[in-house]
Amino acid sequence: DAGITQSPRHKVTETGTPVTLRCHQTENHRYMYWYRQDPGHGLRLIHYSYGVKDTDKGEVSDGYSVSRSKTEDFLLTLESATSSQTSVYFCAISGSRQASGNTIYFGEGSWLTVV
Amino acid sequence: SQQGEEDPQALSIQEGENATMNCSYKTSINNLQWYRQNSGRGLVHLILIRSNEREKHSGRLRVTLDTSKKSSSLLITASRAADTASYFCATATRGSTLGRLYFGRGTQLTVWP
Repeated sequence: DAGITQSPRHKVTETGTPVTLRCHQTENHRYMYWYRQDPGHGLRLIHYSYGVKDTDKGEVSDGYSVSRSKTEDFLLTLESATSSQTSVYFCAISGSRQASGNTIYFGEGSWLTVV
Repeated sequence: SQQGEEDPQALSIQEGENATMNCSYKTSINNLQWYRQNSGRGLVHLILIRSNEREKHSGRLRVTLDTSKKSSSLLITASRAADTASYFCATATRGSTLGRLYFGRGTQLTVWP
């Protein structure tokens, strides 16, 4: 298994509270991604990073921010959680751009429930 | 949408039978990848096929690609109960500056012992 650790794995939080999910990798891969997975929608890209301090938005970035201060860590923050952000969040890493064909490795997921 | 769309949404078969899942997409691609997801787990890469390839094999997996029809199929031969999982296709769009993959909604495969 690729060395990807997501934390926390499960969290229940109240509407309006801030939440930070952490992704830690030991593979020294340049690219890191945050996806959310919802029934009927498949995986949707929230944000991605192509290097330390280099991040960009994906297709569902509203309400989320990210930071990458070290190669190994990519943080996803929900500034003020809403019920629509109840989802399973996956971190992924790759050594090159996704379209190049190199394998993308996924973490085990973080289940977030906003009540 | 640039997503691949898998068909069928759900497939239920007996052990030993073959399982075929299809993926259709809308735009020109560089490559197409198939992933597997066991319940409660992350996605695992299975196989990649490039736009200039028509067929690839990996163990019991066979993937075909028809770029004229913008479609791909994943065949799992002699299925086992352990093959029970969701299977996703992901497309790498040609010309995308982001170079990212677009995932479909998946096919849920259940293999009964």
